[in-house]
Amino acid sequence: AQSVTQLDSHVSVSEGTPVLLRCNYSSSYSPSLFWYVQHPNKGLQLLLKYTSAATLVKGINGFEAEFKKSETSFHLTKPSAHMSDAAEYFCVVSSGGGADGLTFGKGTHLIIQP
Amino acid sequence: DTGVSQDPRHKITKRGQNVTFRCDPISEHNRLYWYRQTLGQGPEFLTYFQNEAQLEKSRLLSDRFSAERPKGSFSTLEIQRTEQGDSAMYLCASSRTWGTGELGYTFGSGTRLTVV
Repeated sequence: AQSVTQLDSHVSVSEGTPVLLRCNYSSSYSPSLFWYVQHPNKGLQLLLKYTSAATLVKGINGFEAEFKKSETSFHLTKPSAHMSDAAEYFCVVSSGGGADGLTFGKGTHLIIQP
Repeated sequence: DTGVSQDPRHKITKRGQNVTFRCDPISEHNRLYWYRQTLGQGPEFLTYFQNEAQLEKSRLLSDRFSAERPKGSFSTLEIQRTEQGDSAMYLCASSRTWGTGELGYTFGSGTRLTVV
């Protein structure tokens, strides 16, 4: 069984300040972890993924995430927020796909204040 | 590579009608998944195919839901006797297996269903 908890349903930051979106996971196996972004009326876009290589994963648009097994966390960060980052962000866990598919968190709505 | 295509983008139907959605995956991807996303929630896994075989369907929401992938290429998701609670975004994704894992998980833009 696998599950994901996104600790904040909404996060609001000012443009140019750091972003932190928090995610905790549970998995019976060595998981793969992902962050996806969804802009309004757009499809899901992969930001980054962790698949048991380096624990600090760099993604697109300046985002990165750190896998911490001891804390079962996979928090998403960005040093400086941009207005275009405003969107819904999903933390996702997979135990290899297939019958379990991907398990999504409920999402964090990121608001960027000018 | 044109990505994962879903058709139609939007569908409005009356309660009780049947609807069918189509998904065309990336051509070299052998796995195809269907998800449902309701307002304010993350996508929820429904079913998946490896080539033409439907290997998991216990997560389909009721016996009104069915999916096919007859030749291991495109897939259809059918909802019979639609209910207002079926209103949601239906997402398709495809991937390619690699050893015991999978690569290249790509989502389509979805079909938004509204049942009136």
